[in-house]
Amino acid sequence: EVQLVESGGGLVQPGGSLRLSCVVSGFTFSSYAMNWVRQAPGRGLEWVSVISGNSGSTYYADSVKGRFTISRDNSKNTLYLQMNSLRAGDTAVYYCAGANNYYDKIDYWGQGILVTVSS
Amino acid sequence: EIVLTQSPDFQSVTPKEKVTITCRASQSIGSNLHWYQQKPDQSPKLLIKYASQSISGVPSRFSGSGSGTDFTLTINTLEAEDAAAYYCHQSSRLPQTFGPGTKVEIK
Repeated sequence: EVQLVESGGGLVQPGGSLRLSCVVSGFTFSSYAMNWVRQAPGRGLEWVSVISGNSGSTYYADSVKGRFTISRDNSKNTLYLQMNSLRAGDTAVYYCAGANNYYDKIDYWGQGILVTVSS
Repeated sequence: EIVLTQSPDFQSVTPKEKVTITCRASQSIGSNLHWYQQKPDQSPKLLIKYASQSISGVPSRFSGSGSGTDFTLTINTLEAEDAAAYYCHQSSRLPQTFGPGTKVEIK
């Protein structure tokens, strides 16, 4: 059974930092590109970032470039998102999501983790 | 960035009716267009890949068509369990982008 389990969310003040983790099981993690996709309350889906299977390539949405860093540890089947300089507009449910490559459909989704940026 | 627009934003439909949702891309994306269903408080679920290819386990009443810039998701004989938001997604170019979504309500 495929499982993607996010953790690390919560309430943080504007300007603060947070690190999300996603532990994956049920598919060959190192062979998959991994994405973060977010969804603000009551809004649609927004792609945030992707990392290739071997960590050789990373890409970011303009809205988070320079503030967020995606990484992975294939020995731990774990994906990360380091979020710095957080803003109110970053408030959302963050989904960890797996795809065959970074030009492909998203096959696997986590359950999501809520990040709230507020004073 | 490739912008995806969807129509309608919202649709209220009677069971057994046919639903058609369109997605238009701001530039040609070939067939690199996918559809997802998201029910309240759930993660998105892949419904259709590469514009028209079916996904194992997805009911056959869901189908997709189109290429280039214009795409369609069709739900034949809508069922009550199909109440959800539907999103198109392009993977042709980075940044990947999603459409704004279409909410389907059951009357």
